[in-house]
Amino acid sequence: DTEVTQTPKHLVMGMTNKKSLKCEQHMGHRAMYWYKQKAKKPPELMFVYSYEKLSINESVPSRFSPECPNSSLLNLHLHALQPEDSALYLCATKGGEHPSRELFFGEGSRLTVL
Amino acid sequence: AQKVTQAQTEISVVEKEDVTLDCVYETRDTTYYLFWYKQPPSGELVFLIRRNSFDEQNEISGRYSWNFQKSTSSFNFTITASQVVDSAVYFCALSDTLAGSQGNLIFGKGTKLSVKP
Repeated sequence: DTEVTQTPKHLVMGMTNKKSLKCEQHMGHRAMYWYKQKAKKPPELMFVYSYEKLSINESVPSRFSPECPNSSLLNLHLHALQPEDSALYLCATKGGEHPSRELFFGEGSRLTVL
Repeated sequence: AQKVTQAQTEISVVEKEDVTLDCVYETRDTTYYLFWYKQPPSGELVFLIRRNSFDEQNEISGRYSWNFQKSTSSFNFTITASQVVDSAVYFCALSDTLAGSQGNLIFGKGTKLSVKP
């Protein structure tokens, strides 16, 4: 069983909708990440939270709004998305900031924007 | 600049064949870390192995083995006696002290492996 849980697994939304993706981890990790993955492409980093503070924003459009309510939860709020935002959104956690640490990924939320 | 190249986009083999997935990397850093991840159709990226730049020992784990050669900047992955369950996309990734201090992995484009019965 994965220790990083993402909900929902699938989401279909219109361009005027507001929705949220949720990620929960019980690994005690203090670094949490959002990645976006288009079909047949590698994951692209979007945001990094370290100790519940946003530490990296990879120039992501403001229609994506991350939130880290506590050390176990990570949300991605979606508003006024475009069809090209359709992708697999992956949450990941890491046991420390050192580059030697591996990332643990959830199964992702597959988003379709109509 | 850091870069990871996986030249093989797709590979198809028949069960029980051996298969090698190639990975070539570039970095200016002397301390770096290389990873392999497996992404089955379910979507989750599963960590397989990490190798640091100071350890060129090859590693074997069951049917999986990894060959790290700094002289050619390569970190290749071999599956022996492949099985249908090995079908997935495999990503090679690099992290170094220049870009990876907060998990900024540099991913290759991935190799899709299909193992047919």
